[in-house]
Amino acid sequence: DSGVTQTPKHLITATGQRVTLRCSPRSGDLSVYWYQQSLDQGLQFLIQYYNGEERAKGNILERFSAQQFPDLHSELNLSSLELGDSALYFCASSVGQVDEAFFGQGTRLTVV
Amino acid sequence: KNQVEQSPQSLIILEGKNCTLQCNYTVSPFSNLRWYKQDTGRGPVSLTIMTFSENTKSNGRYTATLDADTKQSSLHITASQLSDSASYICVVRGYNTDKLIFGTGTRLQVFP
Repeated sequence: DSGVTQTPKHLITATGQRVTLRCSPRSGDLSVYWYQQSLDQGLQFLIQYYNGEERAKGNILERFSAQQFPDLHSELNLSSLELGDSALYFCASSVGQVDEAFFGQGTRLTVV
Repeated sequence: KNQVEQSPQSLIILEGKNCTLQCNYTVSPFSNLRWYKQDTGRGPVSLTIMTFSENTKSNGRYTATLDADTKQSSLHITASQLSDSASYICVVRGYNTDKLIFGTGTRLQVFP
C-alpha cells in the first residue's frame, strides 16, 4: 500500500458526461501528480500541484481540469467525455517537488 | 521523438534466469532517474532512484546502473521469479523541473 488513495476504483459513464476523480496523497506529501494511461500505453503526465498551486502542466486537454484543496487532496475533473478518454487515471504524491513519487492504484474510467 | 526510450519493448525469460532492461534518455540537464515496476492494472511502484552522481543502486534482486555521460541506464534483474512479470518503466526528471518524463516501458514475462 503506497498510502495514496484514489476513488472511485472503477467508473463507467456515457459520452458527453462529466466525472470527478479524487486523490488523497500520503500524509505529509505536498505534491500531487495526475497521469493518464490508455490501454497498453505509457503513462502520460497531465498536471501537477504543489501545496495547492499548479506547478506543471503536461498533455492535459482543455476539457480536463484539476485542483488541490487546502487539505491537500486533489480532484481531476473530466468533462464532455469521449470514448477515447477511457483509461486508467493515476494519482501520485511526493513530499516535495523532486522526491520519490508514490502512486495510487488508479481509477479505471470507461466511457461508453 | 520520446525523450526517454526503453528497450526491449517486451521480453520473455524463464524463471531463475537473469535479464537486463535498457533506458536511453535525452533529457538534459538531468536531475534523477527512477525505475518503476507496474503490475497490470496497478499503480507503478518505485524500485530505485538515482541522481546524476550515482552509478549503481540495488534493491534486492534489482540493480540499476546509470551512465550520465552516455545518458544510459539499465535495470538488471537477478534470478527472476514469476512475480517479476510486469512492466518496468524508466522515468527521468530534468534539472530544476517538476515534470517526470516516462518511458513507454518494457513488458517482462517470466515463465516457469
